[in-house]
Amino acid sequence: AAGVIQSPRHLIKEKRETATLKCYPIPRHDTVYWYQQGPGQDPQFLISFYEKMQSDKGSIPDRFSAQQFSDYHSELNMSSLELGDSALYFCASRGGRSYEQYFGPGTRLTVT
Amino acid sequence: GNSVTQMEGPVTLSEEAFLTINCTYTATGYPSLFWYVQYPGEGLQLLLKATKADDKGSNKGFEATYRKETTSFHLEKGSVQVSDSAVYFCALSHSGAGSYQLTFGKGTKLSVIP
Repeated sequence: AAGVIQSPRHLIKEKRETATLKCYPIPRHDTVYWYQQGPGQDPQFLISFYEKMQSDKGSIPDRFSAQQFSDYHSELNMSSLELGDSALYFCASRGGRSYEQYFGPGTRLTVT
Repeated sequence: GNSVTQMEGPVTLSEEAFLTINCTYTATGYPSLFWYVQYPGEGLQLLLKATKADDKGSNKGFEATYRKETTSFHLEKGSVQVSDSAVYFCALSHSGAGSYQLTFGKGTKLSVIP
């Protein structure tokens, strides 16, 4: 079965640079979520989209933005990167009336 | 707001031992409850779920029962294997939270030794 795809899997950036993370949800899933997981931490909700519209916002810094495109893939744009942004970034998708979210493998971002 | 509290880890068990990881939650109304598992270097995999009171979720020998009276969703397995070594996260989602985003517990690291 198709799963959530994230790219890139690993990314190394320097402070003050920008990064773009991509997420391709499971086909026919209409809701995408972004989570950030710091080292040894639980995942924290950043933002979500339903049918290409932002549906909810969590602890996402103002330096970050995201959108969902017409093909339902989503991108998380991160600017003015800080050392503290080093983390695993997960995308998850959910379809229709299902309560279940399916996670991608994550993008490991390292800011040096 | 919504919150999830899990027992502190790490937990170390011998193979074939009984496993319990405690999870309690705080939420208004009727959240859905989940257990996710994260193997080293991998993403989060949905292990099991329960969407209403007294539901029992089960998968791969793991079970958890949604107890509204005690606001709990404890994870159990009768006989653990070395391959069960991972971090386990209890989580909830709530229709009142807009988009059903997940709120996670801090995670419990399980190590199973032969």
